[in-house]
Amino acid sequence: GIQVEQSPPDLILQEGANSTLRCNFSDSVNNLQWFHQNPWGQLINLFYIPSGTKQNGRLSATTVATERYSLLYISSSQTTDSGVYFCAVDSGYAGNNRKLIWGLGTSLAVNP
Amino acid sequence: DTAVSQTPKYLVTQMGNDKSIKCEQNLGHDTMYWYKQDSKKFLKIMFSYNNKELIINETVPNRFSPKSPDKAHLNLHINSLELGDSAVYFCASSQVGLIYEQYFGPGTRLTVT
Repeated sequence: GIQVEQSPPDLILQEGANSTLRCNFSDSVNNLQWFHQNPWGQLINLFYIPSGTKQNGRLSATTVATERYSLLYISSSQTTDSGVYFCAVDSGYAGNNRKLIWGLGTSLAVNP
Repeated sequence: DTAVSQTPKYLVTQMGNDKSIKCEQNLGHDTMYWYKQDSKKFLKIMFSYNNKELIINETVPNRFSPKSPDKAHLNLHINSLELGDSAVYFCASSQVGLIYEQYFGPGTRLTVT
């Protein structure tokens, strides 16, 4: 099955710094999603990005499907960006076996 | 108005007990999921229901039994709780086919002592 690897596993930033989180996947995928889990545990959709680039405020994401990776950029980081960032891809299995395959996440701490 | 809600938020119980977690979504979605997140933050899918029909049942002990009385509700009952069941359990929902666009509940932190 598809493997999803995220790097780095942990990241500490000073407020205002920029960062890049990476997601590698082992096979072609049709769908890729980035999620943020805040320090209180809530999981939020960030980007649906099977290919190309999207931006939402200080966050942007790029997926190069042919090279099997996706990047999440955080610019001018704020303490509210802290939490765990997950990449998840569509398993591509047919019918009822279709599910998301999750990476292990990047744990980000932004210090004031 | 909360989109996906779970009750209870915290659950502390002893080994051997039976407990239930409830989930409700008001998004009109047809598909609902249960995930288990361990202490290392790894998210593992347990079950998926589509319009009250079980469609994914990962290798979960049969002490775990999901029930979907209607497409807006998906409950999780756990029998004979074990220490290893301690985790955060998340409910999620999505439209049919849009599995990448899942909306998550706030989670239920289960502690088995």
